[in-house]
Amino acid sequence: DAKTTQPPSMDCAEGRAANLPCNHSTISGNEYVYWYRQIHSQGPQYIIHGLKNNETNEMASLIITEDRKSSTLILPHATLRDTAVYYCVVRERNNAGNMLTFGGGTRLMVKP
Amino acid sequence: ETGVTQTPRHLVMGMTNKKSLKCEQHLGHNAMYWYKQSAKKPLELMFVYSLEERVENNSVPSRFSPECPNSSHLFLHLHTLQPEDSALYLCASSQELVGRNTEAFFGQGTRLTVV
Repeated sequence: DAKTTQPPSMDCAEGRAANLPCNHSTISGNEYVYWYRQIHSQGPQYIIHGLKNNETNEMASLIITEDRKSSTLILPHATLRDTAVYYCVVRERNNAGNMLTFGGGTRLMVKP
Repeated sequence: ETGVTQTPRHLVMGMTNKKSLKCEQHLGHNAMYWYKQSAKKPLELMFVYSLEERVENNSVPSRFSPECPNSSHLFLHLHTLQPEDSALYLCASSQELVGRNTEAFFGQGTRLTVV
């Protein structure tokens, strides 16, 4: 089962920052938080990941709380092309290693 | 373009047919994955290969048979499928299975319809 909780949907105005929350209260100390997005009818696209420090790349910023029980993905200036389902993923440990298990994600709608 | 290529993009097959899905990556990645995405459901992890060895099989029916002949190629052989197997099948790869460099890069998927 997925170990993350996200709101099913969010709206954001074009040009504004989109802040997508994720709860992962059962995360263990060495598990990374990953964010992916899936635009309709395409494969998921990797966005960013982090362990405990905040991370930033050309696509987004990732803010992880100090207790690591939640995180926020920030798209600083959302565009219409950012409309997608955003998945917050915590790798799930099993005997084989760490597996990426996806939950339902947040459907972000960027509106003009 | 992620560097992970899946063929075919679309496939329609009858329940008695045998077909294969192909996935190819030349990213130098050591781990490859098959996921299934049914309508209005989360992605389901089906199989995981690391260094050409299967390390995970999430209770997938035997009518789905994976094959990893080398680290760049992954196949999913299909036979006697059911209509409920209709879905988007996604292949992904990552540099490694454990550690920091495990972000997965996905292909565009194969849209499978079983009639």
